[in-house]
Amino acid sequence: AQRVTQPEKLLSVFKGAPVELKCNYSYSGSPELFWYVQYSRQRLQLLLRHISRESIKGFTADLNKGETSFHLKKPFAQEEDSAMYYCALGGSYIPTFGRGTSLIVHP
Amino acid sequence: DVKVTQSSRYLVKRTGEKVFLECVQDMDHENMFWYRQDPGLGLRLIYFSYDVKMKEKGDIPEGYSVSREKKERFSLILESASTNQTSMYLCASSSLAPTSYNEQFFGPGTRLTVL
Repeated sequence: AQRVTQPEKLLSVFKGAPVELKCNYSYSGSPELFWYVQYSRQRLQLLLRHISRESIKGFTADLNKGETSFHLKKPFAQEEDSAMYYCALGGSYIPTFGRGTSLIVHP
Repeated sequence: DVKVTQSSRYLVKRTGEKVFLECVQDMDHENMFWYRQDPGLGLRLIYFSYDVKMKEKGDIPEGYSVSREKKERFSLILESASTNQTSMYLCASSSLAPTSYNEQFFGPGTRLTVL
């Protein structure tokens, strides 16, 4: 069975501090991992996916198959990064979402 | 640019009413999904559809039904609304094309309140 765990409901940091949002997954096949973000009063949207190996808005995430993790990182948080972040696991065509982490960046 | 639209942003209904939530996508996606979004529970899949007239139950289908008569439209139906169905409902779509990597595109959400 597919499972995604985001251990932190809330992450609170100050502007300029490093950020790491944790995501661990359980899946027997070849995983496809995503991070989605929902800013206040906006729709949920894709932030990045592991297959692209890209940096979006300063965020990166590396798939670690040994640790079954896909943590989202940013070296210097900005206030505009405050949002709800969901990790999602694909592989089948029905993604499994984690419960989400609310990131608050204080000025 | 993919557009997923939902018929209402806010909806207030009374217990026992029949409620229809409509979702339309304009990118010819095969897959469509309905989720509930609740604080602390994340996104929970209610139903999904991979083709016209095809539907599969998700994790929490009880109290809901769906209809997909046309490829672009996926409706969620609450046969008899109850207060515990007060929630944010999100519709999403995705393509079966391998290059899509199963990325989902979401609608703006419908916040349903059942009194």
